[in-house]
Amino acid sequence: AQSVSQHNHHVILSEAASLELGCNYSYGGTVNLFWYVQYPGQHLQLLLKYFSGDPLVKGIKGFEAEFIKSKFSFNLRKPSVQWSDTAEYFCAVKKSDTGRRALTFGSGTRLQVQP
Amino acid sequence: GAVVSQHPSRVICKSGTSVKIECRSLDFQATTMFWYRQFPKQSLMLMATSNEGSKATYEQGVEKDKFLINHASLTLSTLTVTSAHPEDSSFYICSAGTGGYDSPLHFGNGTRLTVT
Repeated sequence: AQSVSQHNHHVILSEAASLELGCNYSYGGTVNLFWYVQYPGQHLQLLLKYFSGDPLVKGIKGFEAEFIKSKFSFNLRKPSVQWSDTAEYFCAVKKSDTGRRALTFGSGTRLQVQP
Repeated sequence: GAVVSQHPSRVICKSGTSVKIECRSLDFQATTMFWYRQFPKQSLMLMATSNEGSKATYEQGVEKDKFLINHASLTLSTLTVTSAHPEDSSFYICSAGTGGYDSPLHFGNGTRLTVT
């Protein structure tokens, strides 16, 4: 069973539109949560992360994400997208109470922003 | 920022041959490296975790004799796909981190392997 689910596989938006990408995980223990972005031809880059504290985290390039523990969700948001945000976005989970450092990734969401 | 160099970016090989993929941390010491495999439109699947100087820990279902991982130094890990078959064609990505459990992980650009 997929433990990290990204339900939107391909999203197409116009510039200035608002963005919300869904991420749900199925692990009941303590987690650290991440969003990564992969621009065409480049490596995965960290957008933001949640370890503890304020469930609303702000990342680079105007992105933010909210951890809702009761919903096992960590959705990514941006109020106004730009053409340069066209990329693939991956949600990832670290099961921090297991001592394992490896991340479990979702299947990714391809975002296409049209000018 | 920390850079992970993965080489080659693309490789085509014939069935039955072996292919080696290198992952280097250029400006930091990578005590731990992770190897992932990604199928089209699917998530990155963890194959194995390697700590410098130790044997790699493979995930369930990953053949350790087929996917040989060496992490002999703090800046280099290699993944060798032995006796490659067309079903091994995939995108392989390495990730490296320093010693701290919460320290960030850095990713290579990936290697597209095509076995003909």
